Amino acid sequence: AQTVTQSQPEMSVQEAETVTLSCTYDTSENNYYLFWYKQPPSRQMILVIRQEAYKQQNATENRFSVNFQKAAKSFSLKISDSQLGDTAMYFCAFMKPLNNNDMRFGAGTRLTVKP
Amino acid sequence: NAGVMQNPRHLVRRRGQEARLRCSPMKGHSHVYWYRQLPEEGLKFMVYLQKENIIDESGMPKERFSAEFPKEGPSILRIQQVVRGDSAAYFCASSAGTDYGYTFGSGTRLTVV
Repeated sequence: AQTVTQSQPEMSVQEAETVTLSCTYDTSENNYYLFWYKQPPSRQMILVIRQEAYKQQNATENRFSVNFQKAAKSFSLKISDSQLGDTAMYFCAFMKPLNNNDMRFGAGTRLTVKP
Repeated sequence: NAGVMQNPRHLVRRRGQEARLRCSPMKGHSHVYWYRQLPEEGLKFMVYLQKENIIDESGMPKERFSAEFPKEGPSILRIQQVVRGDSAAYFCASSAGTDYGYTFGSGTRLTVV
């Protein structure tokens, strides 16, 4: 079974600064997908960024980027130039694209951006 | 495209009643997933369905919980004889079966009193 671990229950960052959220996972698969989702107080789950395991290049989406270390099974999220609207729960997720495609989530990191 | 629609947004049930949660996937999506989120916790996989088929229900409690995704109409998550421990946010997600991740609905918050 795949497990996803987020070791930081809570983090805070000053507005305009950079913060990195950690995620590790355990799998015996070689081909899989990793995601970061954001859940603001509205509770909506919003896809932030996606990474294919077969790609060595780290994914980036504007101020969001990942550091994907396949051998170490690590998938951290870096948020640059933090904004107040980035305040949310952030969930790391793993998906094995075989029969069932189901996605497994970590417990989440609560990020607070301070003005 | 209205996205994934879940209703109701909030649902209050007394212990012992039945709760029915509905999910209409995005247009063109034939894969539906249900997740449960307890307070201050991540999402826990419950069940994965395609039209008229349950593909994986390994996360569903063996009793009182059932799910369906009929040929016509929304997917339904049914909880019979609810107990206080069932209080949670229930999220539905859909996908086209590709590997681009899921689109989530806004969730249904179930409160059992």
